[in-house]
Amino acid sequence: ETGVTQSPTHLIKTRGQQVTLRCSSQSGHNTVSWYQQALGQGPQFIFQYYREEENGRGNFPPRFSGLQFPNYSSELNVNALELDDSALYLCASSPGGSGGAEQFFGPGTRLTVL
Amino acid sequence: AQTVTQSQPEMSVQEAETVTLSCTYDTSESDYYLFWYKQPPSRQMILVIRQEAYKQQNATENRFSVNFQKAAKSFSLKISDSQLGDAAMYFCAYRSRQTGANSKLTFGKGITLSVRP
Repeated sequence: ETGVTQSPTHLIKTRGQQVTLRCSSQSGHNTVSWYQQALGQGPQFIFQYYREEENGRGNFPPRFSGLQFPNYSSELNVNALELDDSALYLCASSPGGSGGAEQFFGPGTRLTVL
Repeated sequence: AQTVTQSQPEMSVQEAETVTLSCTYDTSESDYYLFWYKQPPSRQMILVIRQEAYKQQNATENRFSVNFQKAAKSFSLKISDSQLGDAAMYFCAYRSRQTGANSKLTFGKGITLSVRP
């Protein structure tokens, strides 16, 4: 059974650019959640996708957007990057519409905005 | 909205000793899950233990156990026989179990645990 994978591992962008982060969910999981983790802080919920539809969104501006594909993999897109977007971006997958009890996390993508 | 508070930013424990990590939360809901996650320097977030709010019995997983006090909204993690591999950042997290709610996790700020050999 393959776990949650994310790509790329690290990414460096400059302010104003756009970035796409990718996540492959664990086999059998149809729900994907994205989190932003600033250095030394707990993860903050960005949004969740269930069967290709957005299923809840945290307090993030519209320049954070996402997609979920028929195979349940997902993308996080961030437009007009700001310095404060520098963080570890975590993807988590879970089974079922209510997500099951547990979320399984990927290793994260470290984004640095210069 | 739910909040999770971890007021101790750092803790240290001697190898083979026992340590307790504290967490409090605030919610108006009666049905929810609570979790402790471990994040080592490798960044991979790993589930340590899970507690369902409707269960009175405290969850236990090998050397890890919780003290769940629903009325006090307290959820502490006890690590027994601490090992060097336990050194990591530990996060307390809340998840609603209400019908129609999504399964987002609300995390505390975390606590850095160091283990002294």
